[in-house]
Amino acid sequence: QQQVKQSPQSLIVQKGGISIINCAYENTAFDYFPWYQQFPGKGPALLIAIRPDVSEKKEGRFTISFNKSAKQFSLHIMDSQPGDSATYFCAASPHAGNNRKLIWGLGTSLAVNP
Amino acid sequence: DTGVSQDPRHKITKRGQNVTFRCDPISEHNRLYWYRQTLGQGPEFLTYFQNEAQLEKSRLLSDRFSAERPKGSFSTLEIQRTEQGDSAMYLCASSSRRGGGETQYFGPGTRLLVL
Repeated sequence: QQQVKQSPQSLIVQKGGISIINCAYENTAFDYFPWYQQFPGKGPALLIAIRPDVSEKKEGRFTISFNKSAKQFSLHIMDSQPGDSATYFCAASPHAGNNRKLIWGLGTSLAVNP
Repeated sequence: DTGVSQDPRHKITKRGQNVTFRCDPISEHNRLYWYRQTLGQGPEFLTYFQNEAQLEKSRLLSDRFSAERPKGSFSTLEIQRTEQGDSAMYLCASSSRRGGGETQYFGPGTRLLVL
């Protein structure tokens, strides 16, 4: 049972375009939602994260939109660049003491064409 | 470079052999996590340490797996009697007690191939 559902599985965008990746969750105990970027052979790197008391968070070209009632959140990459080509993962962490283990989506492979 | 290091970066072993991986977290981080990632999948939580105490183990962590963090600094993950299904990337992450402690910084991973 996938607790965090991510779509699409793959995405092709032209340089300068907007990349949009969506995630949905069921567990209302989740209270922290990060997005990670991963290049082949590397560990995941944190891009941006949001808590459910905020509906949107922007950092540079990256924006998270969060819809608490729908239990959905999305990553928008503005002005997508070839260097953004990577796999993107959404994740969620339940509020359960000090253990903030991450529950991950299956990932989206993004290719930005020059 | 996040400051989390893992060693070795790659390991090839034969089925039935034991392997041990090491993770050095960011120095002031008291929380340490191990995850496993198979090809084309997201990472899956394996275990969590707060200082030297192992506070949670996933059902994925069979009795062939053991993890330690002896002095609350570096951690080791050992797999005994490896199986081909153990082939994966093993990721270590650490986080600080500051704030909510949610932000996890990942190492480069150890890629294990069991022949």
